[in-house]
Amino acid sequence: DAGVIQSPRHEVTEMGQEVTLRCKPISGHNSLFWYRQTMMRGLELLIYFNNNVPIDDSGMPEDRFSAKMPNASFSTLKIQPSEPRDSAVYFCASSDFIGGAQDTQYFGPGTRLTVL
Amino acid sequence: AQKITQTQPGMFVQEKEAVTLDCTYDTSDPSYGLFWYKQPSSGEMIFLIYQGSYDQQNATEGRYSLNFQKARKSANLVISASQLGDSAMYFCAMNFGGSQGNLIFGKGTKLSVKP
Repeated sequence: DAGVIQSPRHEVTEMGQEVTLRCKPISGHNSLFWYRQTMMRGLELLIYFNNNVPIDDSGMPEDRFSAKMPNASFSTLKIQPSEPRDSAVYFCASSDFIGGAQDTQYFGPGTRLTVL
Repeated sequence: AQKITQTQPGMFVQEKEAVTLDCTYDTSDPSYGLFWYKQPSSGEMIFLIYQGSYDQQNATEGRYSLNFQKARKSANLVISASQLGDSAMYFCAMNFGGSQGNLIFGKGTKLSVKP
């Protein structure tokens, strides 16, 4: 079975450019999560969706970040304009969410973003 | 406040020996799940094992077991018969379910297995 798919795996861009990260969750999973990992802050949640609806976006740093989930099999995280401090690894994860503490999240391989 | 603490930034273990990675947590919520993930140098996050707060028995998955001590609020990961491929970062994480679906992560422990 295919796991969570993320693209691109690596992205290098210049400050001010728009960046779009993509994610395809595991088929049949109804929740999708975007995390960011940095050395300073570790792993932190940016936003999560349940049944394509954003449930908690309190982790989105600022208006430069936006996320969409137009259907159950695709989500995007967009940064516009990008800044050097956005450099990090961005993970997408999905789960078969039933609202219990046992919901296991499965992670994609991550996108390593470098903003010059 | 809900918090995960991993006090060991780095650990060394000899190949074929067992190793315990520490994790303590802080919550007043009676229902929660505890997870361990492995992150090798290639970067992906791999789910290893889960323990629910109401589970009576410690979770086991192959060479991984979770030493769950609820009263002490600890959920240590035990890896038996370490292999070179076990060298990686290991993260402890907590989930509370309900509308709060996200995982709260510890800062991780870097495990190095020596031949």
